[in-house]
Amino acid sequence: DTEVTQTPKHLVMGMTNKKSLKCEQHMGHRAMYWYKQKAKKPPELMFVYSYEKLSINESVPSRFSPECPNSSLLNLHLHALQPEDSALYLCASSQVPDRGDGYTFGSGTRLTVV
Amino acid sequence: QKEVEQNSGPLSVPEGAIASLNCTYSDRGSQSFFWYRQYSGKSPELIMSIYSNGDKEDGRFTAQLNKASQYVSLLIRDSQPSDSATYLCAVRTGTASKLTFGTGTRLQVTL
Repeated sequence: DTEVTQTPKHLVMGMTNKKSLKCEQHMGHRAMYWYKQKAKKPPELMFVYSYEKLSINESVPSRFSPECPNSSLLNLHLHALQPEDSALYLCASSQVPDRGDGYTFGSGTRLTVV
Repeated sequence: QKEVEQNSGPLSVPEGAIASLNCTYSDRGSQSFFWYRQYSGKSPELIMSIYSNGDKEDGRFTAQLNKASQYVSLLIRDSQPSDSATYLCAVRTGTASKLTFGTGTRLQVTL
């Protein structure tokens, strides 16, 4: 299995809603990431988990809350988002240490906040 | 100065020609370098990784790294219309598992 699976593929939520994005990989990767990508912009790192522990938080607002329940799963809990948070949210995973394979990205969740 | 810089393009090349994409980075401690291809509305897909100075070839793709000059490039030979996409240069620095992406170069291969 060489895939990173993200669900849902599309999500529309109101500013008062609570929702979660899910990411799963079974490649034995011990680092997992959340990236945010706006249209015509590169992916921007949000969070890094290494061996299920949060190792990098790129000063992301608290309305985004990551969770890594085990080595295969990564969640991103969303609450009280703003319309400007609408973007493509990408999950990725990699070996630790990097062995030349880079990151494997999931297909992303297209989030629209209304 | 941005950490990873690319010309945004679009870079337009005719079918069958060589496309040359360039990237410069600011941190001399950078260790790993990657090229990703991203089609519109899709997620990035890894094309090449390179760690040592010199060239690395994989099929129609060649990555070139020059650490002294702090640049990495991607050559695409025999360009095809299906190569039309945005190409993202990504750099990993230090021991942290963190990739920093350039803004990407949009490539258009014309018939």
